[in-house]
Amino acid sequence: SQKIEQNSEALNIQEGKTATLTCNYTNYSPAYLQWYRQDPGRGPVFLLLIRENEKEKRKERLKVTFDTTLKQSLFHITASQPADSATYLCAPPNQAGTALIFGKGTTLSVSS
Amino acid sequence: KAGVTQTPRYLIKTRGQQVTLSCSPISGHRSVSWYQQTPGQGLQFLFEYFSETQRNKGNFPGRFSGRQFSNSRSEMNVSTLELGDSALYLCASSLGQGGVPNEKLFFGSGTQLSVL
Repeated sequence: SQKIEQNSEALNIQEGKTATLTCNYTNYSPAYLQWYRQDPGRGPVFLLLIRENEKEKRKERLKVTFDTTLKQSLFHITASQPADSATYLCAPPNQAGTALIFGKGTTLSVSS
Repeated sequence: KAGVTQTPRYLIKTRGQQVTLSCSPISGHRSVSWYQQTPGQGLQFLFEYFSETQRNKGNFPGRFSGRQFSNSRSEMNVSTLELGDSALYLCASSLGQGGVPNEKLFFGSGTQLSVL
């Protein structure tokens, strides 16, 4: 069955650096992949959607890549700020294409 | 535009009881999806409703059920509660026209259910 893995449970970086989060998927090839941010006690908030024919997508300081050969998506935050501290979730569709499935997330901590 | 509203915010129940959670989607959104979030399993898909019909279902036992009303508001019910049902239950709405995975989901803040 499909499997979604976000390699790091936690990532600690200094303010101003670039944070890179990894999402790997196995046993299938999703046509889309979404990224969400979740703050403690809140529901996830949509950040970006990338399609398989879009190698890269950007939104302000955020950049997402989608490598269908490596079966991997990378999520970058450039010039990170303490306000970027949160849990980031990758979410491709399931194999049937009927629902989003979520990775367990990577908790990013940006220190000043 | 008001966001997704979930009530209640917190709930404490005992084993064997049943519980009903409510979700009001964003105005104009016709799809409501429900997820269970636990520290060990992350977010797991329960089911999705569109136009009052359950359109998709995850791998949860029949104790978990839901429904959607004509105004798109949705409820989920868990019967015969077990300790393992303690979790944050999140609902998310979307337009529902393109199929859920192609659309961004708007989540509520969730209902934190504790089963004692």
